[in-house]
Amino acid sequence: SQTIHQWPATLVQPVGSPLSLECTVEGTSNPNLYWYRQAAGRGLQLLFYSVGIGQISSEVPQNLSASRPQDRQFILSSKKLLLSDSGFYLCAWTTMSSYNSPLHFGNGTRLTVT
Amino acid sequence: GQQVMQIPQYQHVQEGEDFTTYCNSSTTLSNIQWYKQRPGGHPVFLIQLVKSGEVKKQKRLTFQFGEAKKNSSLHITATQTTDVGTYFCAVPKGSGNTGKLIFGQGTTLQVKP
Repeated sequence: SQTIHQWPATLVQPVGSPLSLECTVEGTSNPNLYWYRQAAGRGLQLLFYSVGIGQISSEVPQNLSASRPQDRQFILSSKKLLLSDSGFYLCAWTTMSSYNSPLHFGNGTRLTVT
Repeated sequence: GQQVMQIPQYQHVQEGEDFTTYCNSSTTLSNIQWYKQRPGGHPVFLIQLVKSGEVKKQKRLTFQFGEAKKNSSLHITATQTTDVGTYFCAVPKGSGNTGKLIFGQGTTLQVKP
């Protein structure tokens, strides 16, 4: 069966520090991968998506970047965090074997920038 | 741009009462998905609706897709404390089969025992 791992679960970082969040998927090959951010009490905002190794599409201008060095690995990074980067970051995957397959989310990372 | 509105934002009910959340799109949809997020958890897929006027049931949950495929609803009959959480609708973003979804703002359900 497919599983998605996301870490760390929580993170407190000072403003101006770098960030690296990692997500890996097991049990499937060539998944579509996504990074979403959820502000407190709000909906989910799509940040990046990837259809393959090295292929990254950014959905909103921001202080973050994403990379996909391996088929089932997706990384969210920042060189210098801002206060506004605080939030709940969710990695998700889907297969495109059928039209609009459901998203499967990881457990998320709660990031607090102080 | 493409928008999806979800109402209400919050709903407090007594256990045993019914609950409904509504989702409206500015554009005609090819399909719509519903997710549930428990407090402190991550969104979990509930169902996908594809056909105009489609109605699907999962135990006490009834999902409906509008005839014009621009709106949808989720109705919970006789709520239980296990129903607590935030319910999101999600619609395809743009054209093409990229798997990208736009999520509604969600309806947070509180159930008083």
